[in-house]
Amino acid sequence: NAGVTQTPKFRVLKTGQSMTLLCAQDMNHEYMYWYRQDPGMGLRLIHYSVGEGTTAKGEVPDGYNVSRLKKQNFLLGLESAAPSQTSVYFCASSYSTGTLYGYTFGSGTRLTVV
Amino acid sequence: GQQVMQIPQYQHVQEGEDFTTYCNSSTTLSNIQWYKQRPGGHPVFLIQLVKSGEVKKQKRLTFQFGEAKKNSSLHITATQTTDVGTYFCAGPGSGGGADGLTFGKGTHLIIQP
Repeated sequence: NAGVTQTPKFRVLKTGQSMTLLCAQDMNHEYMYWYRQDPGMGLRLIHYSVGEGTTAKGEVPDGYNVSRLKKQNFLLGLESAAPSQTSVYFCASSYSTGTLYGYTFGSGTRLTVV
Repeated sequence: GQQVMQIPQYQHVQEGEDFTTYCNSSTTLSNIQWYKQRPGGHPVFLIQLVKSGEVKKQKRLTFQFGEAKKNSSLHITATQTTDVGTYFCAGPGSGGGADGLTFGKGTHLIIQP
């Protein structure tokens, strides 16, 4: 089925380790987003991309980097993980024909940093 | 920056009772979107409202967009156990949403059978 696929689904990291979260969509969407979800905080935007080769910072970008080398993939990197980055990470994609359409979210990556 | 506030944070209802969640933005919105997230799941897009005063229905769900386009509500009639989850509203920033949506913190709907 078409949609947004996130890998891995779960991960435990030690403080200081690095990792990359992968998001892949097969809907030919231009726009892609990384959000984090923490209890009581809702969904907060980390980084986003409006097209292949472009990225921009969201509300909470510190400690993260992203890349969008191919239209269908959006990677989120943690260079040196910290316990404050323990969270559920969601990738989303969307498109616009003048009016923005609703986001399609992946199933999430549950990350624990110890 | 833009703020989107939702109330209540939690709502306990008996099965069959009605439920309403309210969303308020600090700025005028070009549109507003609603999402549902089941426990342990991911947000799923429900609907988008664009016009001032717009009302849309999806079976037992009624969505409203305020006349000033700064507030919105979701009303569920005769709740069922399948309605359990967190309901989020979200509004676009100055980029119309391409630069990301600002989500409210959500309303958790808890249904007691």
